[in-house]
Amino acid sequence: EVQLVESGGGLVQPGRSLRLSCAASGFTFDDYAMHWVRQAPGKGLEWVSGIGWKSGNIGYADSVKGRFTISRDNAKNSLYLQMNSLRTEDTALYYCAKDYRAVTGTGNAFDFWGQGTMVTVSS
Amino acid sequence: DIQMTQSPSSLSASVGDRVTITCRASQSISRYLNWYQQKPGKAPKLLIYAASSLQSGVPSRFSGSGSGTDFTLTISSLQPEDFATYYCQQSYSSPTFGQGTKLQIK
Repeated sequence: EVQLVESGGGLVQPGRSLRLSCAASGFTFDDYAMHWVRQAPGKGLEWVSGIGWKSGNIGYADSVKGRFTISRDNAKNSLYLQMNSLRTEDTALYYCAKDYRAVTGTGNAFDFWGQGTMVTVSS
Repeated sequence: DIQMTQSPSSLSASVGDRVTITCRASQSISRYLNWYQQKPGKAPKLLIYAASSLQSGVPSRFSGSGSGTDFTLTISSLQPEDFATYYCQQSYSSPTFGQGTKLQIK
């Protein structure tokens, strides 16, 4: 059974940093691309970032480019999101999502999702 | 970025109804369109990928169609567990989602 378990969320002041983690199990982690998708309270879904199976094909939404960094450790079956210079508009539930392909880019789809970790940016 | 617009934003229907949700892209995306279902307090679930391919385990009452800029998700006979919010997502370029369609019980 595929399982994705996010951690690392919390309350943080604007301008500070936070690192999210996603522990994966139930599938061959290094065969698939992975993504972060967020959802602000009461709002829709927003793709944040994606990374290919060998840490290539990295992409970011314009709203986080230059502030967030995605990475993965295939030996630990883990995905990460380093979030710097946090803004109030980054407040959201952050989901880790598995791609059904090895690479990011045209044709991707998110076939399994974690339950999310909440990030609240507030002074 | 490619903008995705869903209609309607909300919809009331009854069990057994046939329901169609529309998604329009701001430019042609070929058939790179996915559909998700999200229930309150839960993560989204992939229903349809590549416009019309049914994800494994998803009931056959769900179907998708379209290409270019216009796409539809159809539920042939609504079941009680289908009342949820539905999102389209384009995968032609950096992924973007529609704003969602909330399907409610009439």
